[in-house]
Amino acid sequence: KAGVTQTPRYLIKTRGQQVTLSCSPISGHRSVSWYQQTPGQGLQFLFEYFSETQRNKGNFPGRFSGRQFSNSRSEMNVSTLELGDSALYLCASSLAVRGEGNIQYFGAGTRLSVL
Amino acid sequence: AQKVTQAQTEISVVEKEDVTLDCVYETRDTTYYLFWYKQPPSGELVFLIRRNSFDEQNEISGRYSWNFQKSTSSFNFTITASQVVDSAVYFCALGPQSYNTDKLIFGTGTRLQVFP
Repeated sequence: KAGVTQTPRYLIKTRGQQVTLSCSPISGHRSVSWYQQTPGQGLQFLFEYFSETQRNKGNFPGRFSGRQFSNSRSEMNVSTLELGDSALYLCASSLAVRGEGNIQYFGAGTRLSVL
Repeated sequence: AQKVTQAQTEISVVEKEDVTLDCVYETRDTTYYLFWYKQPPSGELVFLIRRNSFDEQNEISGRYSWNFQKSTSSFNFTITASQVVDSAVYFCALGPQSYNTDKLIFGTGTRLQVFP
């Protein structure tokens, strides 16, 4: 079974641009979550999608947005990039079984550098 | 508030030494889950273990073992006879038993370096 796939792996953008990152979950997984990892703030939760609906959101500005498609694939978008957005963006998927601490399986991430 | 603390920022050991990574958590939830993940240089977070708050039984898996103590809110991880391939950043995480979220609260991680 294929794991979580994130594309692209590396991205270089300049301030003010926007970027879209893609995530394909493990087949059969219905929930997709996004996390931002930086040396200063560590791993922080961005948002989570289930059945094409955002069901939880972290404390990030509105420049960060996402969506989930009917096949569970997800994209996240960051508009008006700032230098501080440079980070490793990790996507995770789970079976989303209700009432359980679902195991999240992570992709290799997209490393975004903003110049 | 929910919080996970990994006080050890970095640990260096020589191969074959045993090493314990500490994790202390805070939550007001009566039911929750605890996780350990490993992040090698490639960047991908690799799932190691999940523990339900009701299950305080310690677990051993090969060279890995976990000690969950609810009374001290700790979930420590021990690697026996460490190997160079164990070098990575290890994260402890707290998750809900929730019907509408899988959100994880991560600790800041412990970087383990195993030297030959």
